Amino acid sequence: QVQLVQSGAELKKPGASVKVSCKTSGYDFTANYIHWVRQAPGQGLEWVAMINPATGGTYSAQSLQGRVTLTRDSPTTTLYMELSSLRSDDAAVYYCARASNVATSGFDFWGQGTLVAVSS
Amino acid sequence: QSLLTQPPSASGTPGQSVTISCSGTASNIGNSLVNWYQQFPGTAPKLLIFNDLQRPSGVPDRFSGSKSGTSASLVIRDLQIEDEADYYCAAWDDSLRRPVFGGGTTVSVL
Repeated sequence: QVQLVQSGAELKKPGASVKVSCKTSGYDFTANYIHWVRQAPGQGLEWVAMINPATGGTYSAQSLQGRVTLTRDSPTTTLYMELSSLRSDDAAVYYCARASNVATSGFDFWGQGTLVAVSS
Repeated sequence: QSLLTQPPSASGTPGQSVTISCSGTASNIGNSLVNWYQQFPGTAPKLLIFNDLQRPSGVPDRFSGSKSGTSASLVIRDLQIEDEADYYCAAWDDSLRRPVFGGGTTVSVL
């Protein structure tokens, strides 16, 4: 069965970087785009970025001003999202989610979420 | 501020129907397929409706989606206690070249 399993919670200081992993299994790793979505406490869903695991091509939200880097490790079918220069408003639960068909499709499988806390 | 507009809350009694609206623009809902997600507190969202009106396997047919122009709707028929959750609409935005979400609607069963 399709599974996306994310790394554990992180506590970071402002200005630091955080790297969240998303281990996939149960499907062809290269066949589906992976998106990253975040949710601040008590808030709605905000799209962060996406990666094409087949090519490594990425696209991220302009609001993040180049602070997000997506990578993938094909042998381990794991995706990574690194967010740098952390600010207090980056505190959120970060989810990886699989696009069901093409990049623009709905997200049919989600990771369990990774809480990123930012505090001095 | 979310690019898709949803009412913040909706409610009904068991057995009633609830409709959640989602308003967008020509660059998103007007030109792309709409998806709906259901989220319970402390858990990841779950795909509820995709491609405007299709249900993934396992989603009860009490949930239905529709779209007209730049607006979409989610209808929950025969409301159940277990339907209390947050619901989000989403669509690809051709201008922004990324998915956009609604702000979410909290459904309460009175």
